[in-house]
Amino acid sequence: AQTVTQSQPEMSVQEAETVTLSCTYDTSESDYYLFWYKQPPSRQMILVIRQEAYKQQNATENRFSVNFQKAAKSFSLKISDSQLGDAAMYFCASHYGGATNKLIFGTGTLLAVQP
Amino acid sequence: AAGVIQSPRHLIKEKRETATLKCYPIPRHDTVYWYQQGPGQDPQFLISFYEKMQSDKGSIPDRFSAQQFSDYHSELNMSSLELGDSALYFCASSFPGEGPYEQYFGPGTRLTVT
Repeated sequence: AQTVTQSQPEMSVQEAETVTLSCTYDTSESDYYLFWYKQPPSRQMILVIRQEAYKQQNATENRFSVNFQKAAKSFSLKISDSQLGDAAMYFCASHYGGATNKLIFGTGTLLAVQP
Repeated sequence: AAGVIQSPRHLIKEKRETATLKCYPIPRHDTVYWYQQGPGQDPQFLISFYEKMQSDKGSIPDRFSAQQFSDYHSELNMSSLELGDSALYFCASSFPGEGPYEQYFGPGTRLTVT
């Protein structure tokens, strides 16, 4: 079975500091994509960043970057210079390509940002 | 930029009633996905459509059905509603030419069954 695991139910960070959210996944597929979604209190699902498994270079989007360790099946999200607006639930998700279209989500990490 | 539109945003139904949720994908997006997110849970995939054909099926109850129309909008029909169907229902859309498998989510329809 293809699974996504987020072992940190809650995290807290001081404003302007850096925080890393952990995610591991399990698959036997060679073609897959990994994503981080942000869900603020409005409950809107917002795509933060994506990583193609065939790319060795870690993806970066402004203050957000990932540490993709393919052999370890690890996909962590680093948020630099944390802002109050970063407070949200963060979901790690995977898409395995091929015939299936679905995203498989982890259970989420609730991030609090302290002023 | 245009986003995924879902209607209604909130819906209150009684047990055993029927509900219809609508989704209008981003223009040019040909694939639509439905997800269900229960309270305090992660989104669970229900069903997807590509070019008006069902492309994948997840943990969707037999009481639910869905389809995609010629204008690519999709409807999720839910019958014999149960209390456990209370959840946030997301629609997402994607287009292969705009990034591999990136799914853009709508704001969701919050269904409450009483």
